[in-house]
Amino acid sequence: DIQMTQSPSTLSASVGDRVTITCRASQNVNRWLAWYQQKPGKAPDLLIHKASILKSGVSSRFSGSGSGTEFTLTINSLQPDDIATYYCQQYNSSVYTFGQGTKLEIE
Amino acid sequence: QVQLQQWGAGLLKPSETLSLTCAVYGGSFSGYYWNWLRQTPGKGLEWIGEINLSGSTNYNPSLKSRVTISVDTSTNQFSLRLSSVTAADTAVYFCAGLRLGEFPYWGRGTLVTVSS
Repeated sequence: DIQMTQSPSTLSASVGDRVTITCRASQNVNRWLAWYQQKPGKAPDLLIHKASILKSGVSSRFSGSGSGTEFTLTINSLQPDDIATYYCQQYNSSVYTFGQGTKLEIE
Repeated sequence: QVQLQQWGAGLLKPSETLSLTCAVYGGSFSGYYWNWLRQTPGKGLEWIGEINLSGSTNYNPSLKSRVTISVDTSTNQFSLRLSSVTAADTAVYFCAGLRLGEFPYWGRGTLVTVSS
């Protein structure tokens, strides 16, 4: 299986900050990568697919970049509603795998 | 707008079979692969398997020997069966719709606890 590693595991930031989460794949996944936001007690919510394509209706404060084995999710002008855990997921192989998650907290 | 509603038993004893069903409302049932995933604090999000309208399946090799996913096109429902459960199968189970490889549609999740 392709292993997905996110960093950091926990991120503390202030309202208005720009934050970046990194996701690394154990092998090349091209641009077949998605990002999700999950709030407590809820299912994950798709934010970005194919590494950088924003799902319709998602705030433009979110952006994704990268290809191959290294990817980033950036959130501009952090808002209190962004408090959640964020996951990356690769779909380059027929066994879909997720990162372990990055928990975003407000300072 | 596609919506997924899932249900099934939430408490099982070791060695029993987990059984969950997910109904798909709105949108196109034929346009997606229908998936099951689970989530635990320890292992995070784990993909279990998928099925398409014609019944073609793809399972995670780590669970393949115990998993069966089926589909009922007459009711737009799909189901998961996981046999011989142990405490390690305790998790929140999600049904989800797969588009090109990403999951835009999710059920609310069902907590399944395996305990004697």
